[in-house]
Amino acid sequence: EADIYQTPRYLVIGTGKKITLECSQTMGHDKMYWYQQDPGMELHLIHYSYGVNSTEKGDLSSESTVSRIRTEHFPLTLESARPSHTSQYLCASSERSGLTYEQYFGPGTRLTVT
Amino acid sequence: GENVEQHPSTLSVQEGDSAVIKCTYSDSASNYFPWYKQELGKRPQLIIDIRSNVGEKKDQRIAVTLNKTAKHFSLHITETQPEDSAVYFCAASGQNTGFQKLVFGTGTRLLVSP
Repeated sequence: EADIYQTPRYLVIGTGKKITLECSQTMGHDKMYWYQQDPGMELHLIHYSYGVNSTEKGDLSSESTVSRIRTEHFPLTLESARPSHTSQYLCASSERSGLTYEQYFGPGTRLTVT
Repeated sequence: GENVEQHPSTLSVQEGDSAVIKCTYSDSASNYFPWYKQELGKRPQLIIDIRSNVGEKKDQRIAVTLNKTAKHFSLHITETQPEDSAVYFCAASGQNTGFQKLVFGTGTRLLVSP
């Protein structure tokens, strides 16, 4: 089934650790995005990609980095996790379909940094 | 860049009442305005969208109106039901970003009481 997947769903990690949040989509979409969201609160765009080998920083400054080596895969890496990184991270993808530019969201990764 | 403001931040209604959520945007080049619904613990999902060449769009109990001159758009939910309880996000996008990015509002928490 075409969908967008994120792993892990929950992660508790200590300060200073390096972590990678995985995001994969099987919808063949070119555009992918990472959002940071405290539960039920505003969605902050932190990174996006137009396609393979294309990445851009979003509107919210982030200490994370991303890569886009394959169309379906858009991992996000934190080199040194801090308590301020505690949040939910949502991955999304989109493609134009007629007059709609719907973004499809993954289930999210809830990160806690102790 | 685009800035989207959303009001109210919380909205409580009785089952069967109508609910209205309003958003304003700053960039006159924006011409695509989706609305997303995020239920507790779940991912945001598109519920309706509108383009600037249309003033109103309806889908069963939900409708969206757009006033391009005033740069505001609204979500209307009629005959609300408890399952409408969720956080609703408006967003804007346009040719200025090649429709690559959505700029989201801050969200409205809707509570429908039985």
